[in-house]
Amino acid sequence: NAGVTQTPKFRVLKTGQSMTLLCAQDMNHEYMYWYRQDPGMGLRLIHYSVGEGTTAKGEVPDGYNVSRLKKQNFLLGLESAAPSQTSVYFCASRDRQDGAFFGQGTRLTVV
Amino acid sequence: RKEVEQDPGPFNVPEGATVAFNCTYSNSASQSFFWYRQDCRKEPKLLMSVYSSGNEDGRFTAQLNRASQYISLLIRDSKLSDSATYLCVVNMDSNYQLIWGAGTKLIIKP
Repeated sequence: NAGVTQTPKFRVLKTGQSMTLLCAQDMNHEYMYWYRQDPGMGLRLIHYSVGEGTTAKGEVPDGYNVSRLKKQNFLLGLESAAPSQTSVYFCASRDRQDGAFFGQGTRLTVV
Repeated sequence: RKEVEQDPGPFNVPEGATVAFNCTYSNSASQSFFWYRQDCRKEPKLLMSVYSSGNEDGRFTAQLNRASQYISLLIRDSKLSDSATYLCVVNMDSNYQLIWGAGTKLIIKP
């Protein structure tokens, strides 16, 4: 049982480059989330989705876009990466009233 | 006032001791409560859900006090491997978002 899988696990980007982070879950969860976590800080919600085809902005959405074309996948895009987007990105999924399950994270460095 | 507040610690505790954390929440409409642990540079992992009647899982006990709007986590016979940051999470049934505390850092010393 894979749970929540994030790809890639590590990436280094140059300023201005674009990339897509993929999150896949095999638990048939309705809700999916993208968070970022900076060193020594808490989780900050970027975007979330309450079902296939729906997305919504979280606390820090600027500079990111998302898509949920299939229930099991939630994609996070960076159109033009900036050094301020250097962070660890976590994807999570859950069902209503249940706790969330996280992927192992993507460590992104923008130089 | 933050929606979910935790003492950041660190709590320095000798191995074998009992330690307890509290987490306060501001919205009385909150319905679901959880404790997570996060190891350094790792993803948060669900430790336990918190039910109105309280619940226990081995050395860990979680309790909910709706009147005073806080949840607690008790760790008995602490192990070195319990060293981590413990995150409190609150959810309102009508809101899909999870509200995260900033975490309490626990260090278990030999």
